[in-house]
Amino acid sequence: NAGVTQTPKFRILKIGQSMTLQCAQDMNHNYMYWYRQDPGMGLKLIYYSVGAGITDKGEVPNGYNVSRSTTEYFPLRLELAAPSQTSVYFCASSPSGQETQYFGPGTRLLVL
Amino acid sequence: AQTVTQSQPEMSVQEAETVTLSCTYDTSENNYYLFWYKQPPSRQMILVIRQEAYKQQNATENRFSVNFQKAAKSFSLKISDSQLGDTAMYFCAFMSRPGGSQGNLIFGKGTKLSVKP
Repeated sequence: NAGVTQTPKFRILKIGQSMTLQCAQDMNHNYMYWYRQDPGMGLKLIYYSVGAGITDKGEVPNGYNVSRSTTEYFPLRLELAAPSQTSVYFCASSPSGQETQYFGPGTRLLVL
Repeated sequence: AQTVTQSQPEMSVQEAETVTLSCTYDTSENNYYLFWYKQPPSRQMILVIRQEAYKQQNATENRFSVNFQKAAKSFSLKISDSQLGDTAMYFCAFMSRPGGSQGNLIFGKGTKLSVKP
């Protein structure tokens, strides 16, 4: 059972480039989340989804977009990367909005 | 808005001893969940323990236990018989539990725990 997987593990982007962070879960969870963790800080919610075709903004959505066409996948798109988006990105999933969230291993992104 | 405060940026403990990490939170809600997550150097977020606010009994998981004081809005984590593998960042997190909640976790800034041999 793979749980929540994320790719890539690490990426360097130049300012203005775009990329998609991939997230997949094999637990048939309805809820999926994207968080970012800045150095020395806790995680902050970027976007979340309560099911296929349904997404909504979290606390820090600017500069990001998401889509959820299937239950399994929840990619995060960065358009026009900026140094302020240098962070570690975590994807998580849970069966519902009131249960424990299970996290992926994270993607470390460096924007130079 | 809910907030979570961890007032101890760093702590250290000798192997086999007991350590307590502090967490306070602010909310006007009556029903909610509280969590402690562990983040070792691998960066993986690992659930340590979970507490439901409507349960008065403190949650325990093997060597990990919490002291949940609802009126004081305090949620401390006690680690007994500390092991070298407990070295990690520990995050306290809050989750609302109203009807239809999206389950957003609000995290504190973390406490870096070092277990010394």
